[in-house]
Formats: sequence, structure tokens, C-alpha cells
Amino acid sequence: DAKTTQPPSMDCAEGRAANLPCNHSTISGNEYVYWYRQIHSQGPQYIIHGLKNNETNEMASLIITEDRKSSTLILPHATLRDTAVYYCIGKGSGNTGKLIFGQGTTLQVKP
Amino acid sequence: DSGVTQTPKHLITATGQRVTLRCSPRSGDLSVYWYQQSLDQGLQFLIQYYNGEERAKGNILERFSAQQFPDLHSELNLSSLELGDSALYFCASSVEASGGTQYFGPGTRLLVL
Repeated sequence: DAKTTQPPSMDCAEGRAANLPCNHSTISGNEYVYWYRQIHSQGPQYIIHGLKNNETNEMASLIITEDRKSSTLILPHATLRDTAVYYCIGKGSGNTGKLIFGQGTTLQVKP
Repeated sequence: DSGVTQTPKHLITATGQRVTLRCSPRSGDLSVYWYQQSLDQGLQFLIQYYNGEERAKGNILERFSAQQFPDLHSELNLSSLELGDSALYFCASSVEASGGTQYFGPGTRLLVL
């Protein structure tokens, strides 16, 4: 599975878009990019995933560059409840679903 | 609410003891995963079961074991506990064996004194 690199922390003003970057320059063609978040010490929460096309759901949008070496998770209107650690994970389509979590990005949404 | 349940929520025990953590996956999910989160190691994958069979193993100590029962619930057994085993233990489930979309339970907080 691809190694991912994320900034350790970011701030965002409440109501503004939060753009969380992730570098995954070694990602292979069949590896997906997954995003999870963990609010305080709760269980991680699945947000979104994609392969090469941009994806959007009710929680967020995922923009993947054409060369697939990086991606950005966008929370369109961040709220205080979006304060969390966000994890970007590269995962292939092997015979196991194990997820390898890095250190993630701590997003602080400020009023 | 992810639909994954874990019991107990909190567990305090002494070194050398043995504990069992329980997980019930979401209805319809065949895969169960166990993860450990300690302050210094972050979230670490321990083990995966799929439809009753072990599917993948991570950094799971020999003192730890797990199983998945016919009703698909899973138990993680931790024995000869050490202070360093104090951590949050999360269970997750997914429909497929290779599913990257996993739903996590609220976790069991284990404190070994």
C-alpha cells in the first residue's frame, strides 16, 4: 500500500472550506485513496474514497490530481464538529482490507 | 452510530491478568478487524477475520489472540497483560474481505495497572 504524507496540523475558520492535502507519490494504478477521521478518542469514521476521478458525497469532496500523486479532501463548510484528526490512506485491492494509518492531520476549526 | 458495538467500554485490570474484548459487526458484514491505538504508536492493525477464518495478521503479540464465531461476532483475548498494553482497542467491520470502507465501533479503553 502506498505511503502517504500529510501536514501534522491545520486551522480553518468556521463556515469556510477546509482543504486537507495528502501526498501519495508512490501510489500504484489500482490503489484507492481513502479518507477517515477520528474525533477525539472516538472510533475512526469513514469519509470518502476514490481511484482517479473526483468524488463527492454528503460529507466531503475528494479531488485527485491527474497523475494521482496527491489528493485534497474538501469539507465545504467546516463546523466546530469537524475538528478531528484526518487520515489519508492508500489501499490496494489485495485480499485483505487492513488499513495502515499514518499520523494524519489534526484539523482545528475555529469560531 | 456506526452499527458496530463493542463491550465493555472501559476495562481496568492488573498486570498479568487476562481480559476478553467483544465486538459485534454491522448486520451483513462478514469481515471484522481489530486495531490498537496507544499514545506512542497511533492506530495499529492487529488482525482480520472474514466469515470465521483468519484473513490477515498485523503487529499482534503472541499473548493476544482473536476469533470470529459463527454468528460473526468476534472476541479479542489479551493475556499476561503488561502496562504497555494500556490502549484503546477498536473493532471495525466491512462487507467484503478486502473492503477499505470500514465501520468502526466506539472502542474499549483498557487500563492495565
